[in-house]
Amino acid sequence: DVKVTQSSRYLVKRTGEKVFLECVQDMDHENMFWYRQDPGLGLRLIYFSYDVKMKEKGDIPEGYSVSREKKERFSLILESASTNQTSMYLCASRTPPGLQEQYFGPGTRLTVT
Amino acid sequence: AQSVTQPDIHITVSEGASLELRCNYSYGATPYLFWYVQSPGQGLQLLLKYFSGDTLVQGIKGFEAEFKRSQSSFNLRKPSVHWSDAAEYFCAVGLSSNTGKLIFGQGTTLQVKP
Repeated sequence: DVKVTQSSRYLVKRTGEKVFLECVQDMDHENMFWYRQDPGLGLRLIYFSYDVKMKEKGDIPEGYSVSREKKERFSLILESASTNQTSMYLCASRTPPGLQEQYFGPGTRLTVT
Repeated sequence: AQSVTQPDIHITVSEGASLELRCNYSYGATPYLFWYVQSPGQGLQLLLKYFSGDTLVQGIKGFEAEFKRSQSSFNLRKPSVHWSDAAEYFCAVGLSSNTGKLIFGQGTTLQVKP
């Protein structure tokens, strides 16, 4: 079974802090994704990566950056957390090209106070 | 622009009743279509997917969905709902086979009455 893990289920940070959300997958997937989930808005893509050190902006990249130094790990970074970044963050990884299916981690609920 | 619409934000059905969750998409090419389910406090789990071929696809947990190109729809159905089906359901369209990017609908929350 594919396993996507996220470093924290719940996280509380203060405004202005630098926040790291970690995601690890164990299936040697090339593509990895970070989404944020907000009520009534569904999932919105923040960033994705199609290979080590390769990244591309999604639909809402402002205020976020990412890092992918190893194939199995994809990190989301909030350079200076703000209260409007309070949300559920979901990481996903994808089977090889052509199959499309994404596998999701359990999510990190981040609260910025 | 590509988009996915789930018209029903919240649906309540009685246990044992049939279920249909609606999904409409806007996309110029032949879409890759997905339904995911999210139980409370969990990540998303794939229920089923459509890439090509038979327009009626079967998924896990007794769910099925039908792709109707003329209506740009991909509705999810289940003949008899169980209490454990209470969850949030997301429809998604895949934009590219290379990047794997998905666009998600807003989600439909399903409540099951005993």
